Amino acid sequence: DAKTTQPTSMDCAEGRAANLPCNHSTISGNEYVYWYRQIHSQGPQYIIHGLKNNETNEMASLIITEDRKSSTLILPHATLRDTAVYYCIVRVGMNRDDKIIFGKGTRLHILP
Amino acid sequence: DTAVSQTPKYLVTQMGNDKSIKCEQNLGHDTMYWYKQDSKKFLKIMFSYNNKELIINETVPNRFSPKSPDKAHLNLHINSLELGDSAVYFCASSLADEQFFGPGTRLTVL
Repeated sequence: DAKTTQPTSMDCAEGRAANLPCNHSTISGNEYVYWYRQIHSQGPQYIIHGLKNNETNEMASLIITEDRKSSTLILPHATLRDTAVYYCIVRVGMNRDDKIIFGKGTRLHILP
Repeated sequence: DTAVSQTPKYLVTQMGNDKSIKCEQNLGHDTMYWYKQDSKKFLKIMFSYNNKELIINETVPNRFSPKSPDKAHLNLHINSLELGDSAVYFCASSLADEQFFGPGTRLTVL
C-alpha cells in the first residue's frame, strides 16, 4: 500500500503557482519523497525528489516540513500542459530491491 | 531518439492467446521494470530486472514471464490471456533515483 495521502483533485489557474500537498506521516529516516506525474495516456514522468532539504529544479520545487511528515510540490507558473495526475511517493531510493508504490495521486486541472 | 520504447503500442487479442510485449532502453541503465495500470488507473509494479537478473517479482500469475536477453531489453510474454489482463503495460528503466517510463502498451483481451 502507498504510504502517502494526497487530495483526489485540485484546480489551478493558468499562470499561477500550483501547490500540491502530500502527507507521509509514517516516513522513515532513510526514505526519500519522490514526485512523478502522468499526463493523459503517457508513461509517468519523474519530477523531483528530496530527503529533508527543500529542492528545486527546472520543473518544480519541493518543500519538506521539518518533521518530514508532509511535503508540497510547487509548480511555479502552471501551464495547460501541467494538467496531469501527480503522484507523491516515499521510498528508500538508490536500492535496486526497492520498488515505487504508486497511490491514487492528485488529478491537477489547470484552468485557462 | 526515444529513451524507453515499447512495441506494440496497441494489442488486441482473443482470450486464450499468447502474446509478447517488447521493451528496449538506450540509456545504458542497469535496471528495468514492468508495471501494469488497470482500468481504475492504479499503477502497480510487476517485475524488475537488474543486469538480466530478476530482482522484484510481485504476486503476478505465472502466465506472465519476463525475459531479459540483455540489459537493454526486457520483454513480457503472457500465456493464456484472460479478460482481466486488459490494461496498459508500462516498461521503465533506471540507473539511480529516477525511473524513465516508456509510452505504454494498451492490451485489450476480447
